[in-house]
Amino acid sequence: VQLRESGPGLVKPSETLSLTCNVSDYSISSGYYWVWIRQPPGKGLEWIGSIYHSGRTFYNPSLSSRLTMSVDTSKNQFSLRLRSVTAADTAVYYCARDREYHFDYWGQGALVTVSA
Amino acid sequence: NFMLTQPHSVSESPGKTVTISCTGSSGSIASNYVQWYQQRPGSAPTIVIYENKQRPSGVPDRFSGSIDSSSNSASLTISGLKTEDEADYYCQSYDSTNHVLFGGGTKLTVL
Repeated sequence: VQLRESGPGLVKPSETLSLTCNVSDYSISSGYYWVWIRQPPGKGLEWIGSIYHSGRTFYNPSLSSRLTMSVDTSKNQFSLRLRSVTAADTAVYYCARDREYHFDYWGQGALVTVSA
Repeated sequence: NFMLTQPHSVSESPGKTVTISCTGSSGSIASNYVQWYQQRPGSAPTIVIYENKQRPSGVPDRFSGSIDSSSNSASLTISGLKTEDEADYYCQSYDSTNHVLFGGGTKLTVL
């Protein structure tokens, strides 16, 4: 199973951060939740949200008002949109597979910087 | 809100044994499984323990996990320390609403 994040590496303040995670060698439709996790520079891991292939989602309450996650099973990918970003949203963003309580496959991570 | 607290850093010598704790703030840490991840600089985290004490294939048996309900904590123990074990370690679990929680991370120095 391979995951790869893609999207702009630089986003302006107040705009929307958009990332996509492409999954290889495993069909998202086969099951499990799929998650986004981020890590600000020099800091710890923060769960952003989880999505099932049906579209059911769980969001971090601290981000839920700005967050939308979606899944496209035809392309075997899932996506993240975070609105109204600030410098505090600068982080490495990881996508991962949630194999029943633990994250067994991770993407390499994508650095997103919020700056004018 | 349920939180997981880890020591900021620990250090130990090669060949020795080190234990990293992960303490639940309220409720019972035993209510949901605890996982442990290793993260080396510049790399994505990798899982070393899942479901409290299970080791994924490929993880050496020097790594072990446990739960202590009396102290409401989980522990990751690494025996026979090697310099390659030097990394950040994160515990992870869930709260009562199925939201994922991470501990703040512990930097392990092997010197």
